[in-house]
Amino acid sequence: DQQVKQNSPSLSVQEGRISILNCDYTNSMFDYFLWYKKYPAEGPTFLISISSIKDKNEDGRFTVFLNKSAKHLSLHIVPSQPGDSAVYFCAVSIFFGNEKLTFGTGTRLTIIP
Amino acid sequence: EPEVTQTPSHQVTQMGQEVILRCVPISNHLYFYWYRQILGQKVEFLVSFYNNEISEKSEIFDDQFSVERPDGSNFTLKIRSTKLEDSAMYFCASRSDRAEETQYFGPGTRLLVL
Repeated sequence: DQQVKQNSPSLSVQEGRISILNCDYTNSMFDYFLWYKKYPAEGPTFLISISSIKDKNEDGRFTVFLNKSAKHLSLHIVPSQPGDSAVYFCAVSIFFGNEKLTFGTGTRLTIIP
Repeated sequence: EPEVTQTPSHQVTQMGQEVILRCVPISNHLYFYWYRQILGQKVEFLVSFYNNEISEKSEIFDDQFSVERPDGSNFTLKIRSTKLEDSAMYFCASRSDRAEETQYFGPGTRLLVL
């Protein structure tokens, strides 16, 4: 099942700089996109989402960008902080009538102090 | 802040045994889910549950799996006869019925089948 891909398994970023995490999907029917953050031994924690009618959504240090034509979304974290070190998953769904979230493989982000 | 809770946090069982994983969703939520993550792999959807019935299930969710909401607070996942490949982290999630409300996940139960 390769419907959602995160091609970078890991990423290291200096504290204070911008972290950019990427996600590609294949099914144009997906219309709701989310980012979750996961620490070891915890469940995924919701970060930010975007619906297909928008191309950008901001929440504090986190911004999600959606490029529907390229079937690509990205998460920008600026400035990056040590507490941002975690595994980040993108997830997608066909919002109405389809409850399941399809997750990417995750990107382990390490913020270097 | 309300949160989804799961018990037990860890469970070790012998192959062929039945296990029941328990979840207490957030109290005003109406939609419930189970996901799993095999070590090193992605989080996978198992089943969604609404209004006391399954609304969607994946191909992983075969006859060995069942879900139940036995009372107003608990949501359970039963595996009737566990297999080695059922070893995984199992996450429960819930959400409200508000438009564009996201799913909130519990901390997970780590199941090890020997």
